[in-house]
Amino acid sequence: GAGVSQTPSNKVTEKGKYVELRCDPISGHTALYWYRQSLGQGPEFLIYFQGTGAADDSGLPNDRFFAVRPEGSVSTLKIQRTERGDSAVYLCASSLVPAGELFFGEGSRLTVL
Amino acid sequence: RKEVEQDPGPFNVPEGATVAFNCTYSNSASQSFFWYRQDCRKEPKLLMSVYSSGNEDGRFTAQLNRASQYISLLIRDSKLSDSATYLCVVTLNYQLIWGAGTKLIIKP
Repeated sequence: GAGVSQTPSNKVTEKGKYVELRCDPISGHTALYWYRQSLGQGPEFLIYFQGTGAADDSGLPNDRFFAVRPEGSVSTLKIQRTERGDSAVYLCASSLVPAGELFFGEGSRLTVL
Repeated sequence: RKEVEQDPGPFNVPEGATVAFNCTYSNSASQSFFWYRQDCRKEPKLLMSVYSSGNEDGRFTAQLNRASQYISLLIRDSKLSDSATYLCVVTLNYQLIWGAGTKLIIKP
């Protein structure tokens, strides 16, 4: 497809489990961002990739969160030992140039029971 | 003080009315400005960029006031379909800083 694709769209897991969320950006977009959003809040920055490298991971809340983008296209956000507070919608966005117009995926809604 | 602040609303506005809301930012070095629209349980989508000279797109007008460090969005002849949350975004280098959004409800 032409847009940003995220999978799964919904994920329900138990506290303590490991979760992976995948983002397939628009072809040719070198910049990729991960955000998470809770109800009534704006997107909260997690990590930014320029190509294969994480240019800024300062938004990752702790070392349970990790993201990769090994070939400069698809990215995976990994969450270890999930906690109930991790429940949110995780949004991925890509742009042609850094800080340009962002195109978002529909998000992955994570629920930790 | 938050880096980007918006009145959360909700703004309840009758159909056909004009509504405006602002977004203030704290860093005077901010470079680019955008308004995004987000429908309930959907992802944000770009509504319009905000240029120094101001810009208009149909019923929507965006303006930037660098001296007072705010951007504004004006919606004329509001439609029911304009009901959404409007998020402002401010960029500094590659970083995008998001407001929490202003919720707009257009009533028939």
